[in-house]
Amino acid sequence: DQQVKQNSPSLSVQEGRISILNCDYTNSMFDYFLWYKKYPAEGPTFLISISSIKDKNEDGRFTVFLNKSAKHLSLHIVPSQPGDSAVYFCAAIRANTGNQFYFGTGTSLTVIP
Amino acid sequence: KAGVTQTPRYLIKTRGQQVTLSCSPISGHRSVSWYQQTPGQGLQFLFEYFSETQRNKGNFPGRFSGRQFSNSRSEMNVSTLELGDSALYLCASSPGTVSNQPQHFGDGTRLSIL
Repeated sequence: DQQVKQNSPSLSVQEGRISILNCDYTNSMFDYFLWYKKYPAEGPTFLISISSIKDKNEDGRFTVFLNKSAKHLSLHIVPSQPGDSAVYFCAAIRANTGNQFYFGTGTSLTVIP
Repeated sequence: KAGVTQTPRYLIKTRGQQVTLSCSPISGHRSVSWYQQTPGQGLQFLFEYFSETQRNKGNFPGRFSGRQFSNSRSEMNVSTLELGDSALYLCASSPGTVSNQPQHFGDGTRLSIL
């Protein structure tokens, strides 16, 4: 039962342009959402998060948008850089259920110089 | 601050054997979670330990078990290994006291079953 879905396995973007990674979820009780970035042979690294009481959170070149009615979140990277090439995972959790995070299957981003 | 440390990094076993993986969390973190990552499946949640107690469990067979020690270090054990157990096993830690805190991952143990 995949409660968090990333329907695009891969994405290619030119350097300097915007990268938009998408994520959908099915459980309306999720209230905290995160994005992780993963390079080969390394563990995922936390990138940015958003609480369900917000619809946008920004950190430098990274912005996460949350649309609760559509059960959709997206990660925008502007401008994209070659070092951003990695696999990106979105994750979600429901409050007061311990630390059971639900992860998507990942989107492999390639930024072309 | 030292990150999450997983040992060993690579492991090769044969079917039917058992294996134990180790995870040392970030100092002060009391929650340790384990995930299995296979191609196309993302990160599948195995279980979470908090203060030496299993607090959450995913949908994996009983061959997968874990424990946590008083210093928050955790071990995961897989018995009667099957070919399908070949995967990257990731450990993540967090303070664990509230749920809106990100988990921090180790670099994983790559387990190969021959």
